[in-house]
Amino acid sequence: QMQLQESGPGLVKPSETLSLICTVSGGSIRTSSYYWGWIRQPPGKGLEWIGTIFYSGNAYYNPSLESRIAISVDTSKNQFSLKLRSVTAADTASYYCARRRGVARVFDLWGRGSLVTVSS
Amino acid sequence: EIVLTQSPGTLSLSPGERATLSCRASQSVSSSYLAWYQQKVGQAPRLLIYGASTRATGIPDRFGGSGSGTDFTLTISRLEPEDFAVYYCQQHGSSPLTFGGGTKVEIK
Repeated sequence: QMQLQESGPGLVKPSETLSLICTVSGGSIRTSSYYWGWIRQPPGKGLEWIGTIFYSGNAYYNPSLESRIAISVDTSKNQFSLKLRSVTAADTASYYCARRRGVARVFDLWGRGSLVTVSS
Repeated sequence: EIVLTQSPGTLSLSPGERATLSCRASQSVSSSYLAWYQQKVGQAPRLLIYGASTRATGIPDRFGGSGSGTDFTLTISRLEPEDFAVYYCQQHGSSPLTFGGGTKVEIK
């Protein structure tokens, strides 16, 4: 049974870089069947797609965040990661990693989420 | 970018009643690539429906999706106590992937 788990600091200072890792267990990240994505949700608000990556390293970003984000994959550790630069209070959110079906771009398995607060 | 508008914002119903949730797109969603998720408080979203009408693995048949073009509907035929939650639509036909603002189904 595949599972995803986010990890990283829960508090980041304004203007700094938010860094999160998603560890995939119970299966290999190195598969052509899935892509791997990040989605965030500000407290009490809706969902926003951040970006998606394939195990080969090909990444696709939301244009609204593209200038500040980088998503990478480490197949040796079965992990993928998110970096978001120059954060502000508006980046305070629960960050979810999720598995995306290759053909249908929907997220069928999610991590539990990691709340990141941007504050000095 | 395709903007998704969900209505109503809140739906107050009793267990056993039928729920009808709407998702309207700002432009046509290609190949009816519209998905629905359920999110309970403190939990991650759960995929219910994709491709407008295909139920995800393990989703009970009281959940049904329909629609095409710009208008889509999620129907819950008879609400069970565990169905009271927030529901989001997502278009998966074009990039960037976008979500609707959500409909809360609450107990009346």
